[in-house]
Amino acid sequence: GAVVSQHPSRVICKSGTSVKIECRSLDFQATTMFWYRQFPKQSLMLMATSNEGSKATYEQGVEKDKFLINHASLTLSTLTVTSAHPEDSSFYICSARDRTDSYEQYFGPGTRLTVT
Amino acid sequence: AQSVTQLDSQVPVFEEAPVELRCNYSSSVSVYLFWYVQYPNQGLQLLLKYLSGSTLVESINGFEAEFNKSQTSFHLRKPSVHISDTAEYFCAVSGDSSYKLIFGSGTRLLVRP
Repeated sequence: GAVVSQHPSRVICKSGTSVKIECRSLDFQATTMFWYRQFPKQSLMLMATSNEGSKATYEQGVEKDKFLINHASLTLSTLTVTSAHPEDSSFYICSARDRTDSYEQYFGPGTRLTVT
Repeated sequence: AQSVTQLDSQVPVFEEAPVELRCNYSSSVSVYLFWYVQYPNQGLQLLLKYLSGSTLVESINGFEAEFNKSQTSFHLRKPSVHISDTAEYFCAVSGDSSYKLIFGSGTRLLVRP
């Protein structure tokens, strides 16, 4: 089946530093990857849609200069949280859609970011 | 625009009892419907999906959901739950050209012995 990995699974960083999270599709090519943020006991909030080779499309209210997204290949997208602050602490989840015009998304296991 | 409503934030149920988790959607385009399950500190796992064809879809672990177009619903059911079914369940809809998934607020299923 389609597998999506995320790295790291957990990261703790100091306020003001930047953190990069990787999302990889392991056994399929993903033209589109999505990045979500989830607060405790809440649903997933879509942050941005990442298409291979083009700029990401951000949802309203998401700062594109703070959450940098790069989708350089068909199997890798990265999310960089720049100048992180404690309020950026959250669970970040990515998903990927394969090339075959499918509405199904395959989710990564998530990355727990804690900013101290 | 598409939206999903999960009216029940938490559903407590005793082990081996039946359960129904409700999901209603609104959409102006064709819909594709999904149920995902999330265990603590983990990502989402696809439980089942409706893309086309039979309106009744089933998962390998005993869950089923029925797409009801007239009632705009996609309720999730299981005739007999286990302790291990305790988790958060999210209903989601897709179908427009953006391929985005729109999630409901989630329902926590709490199975008690």
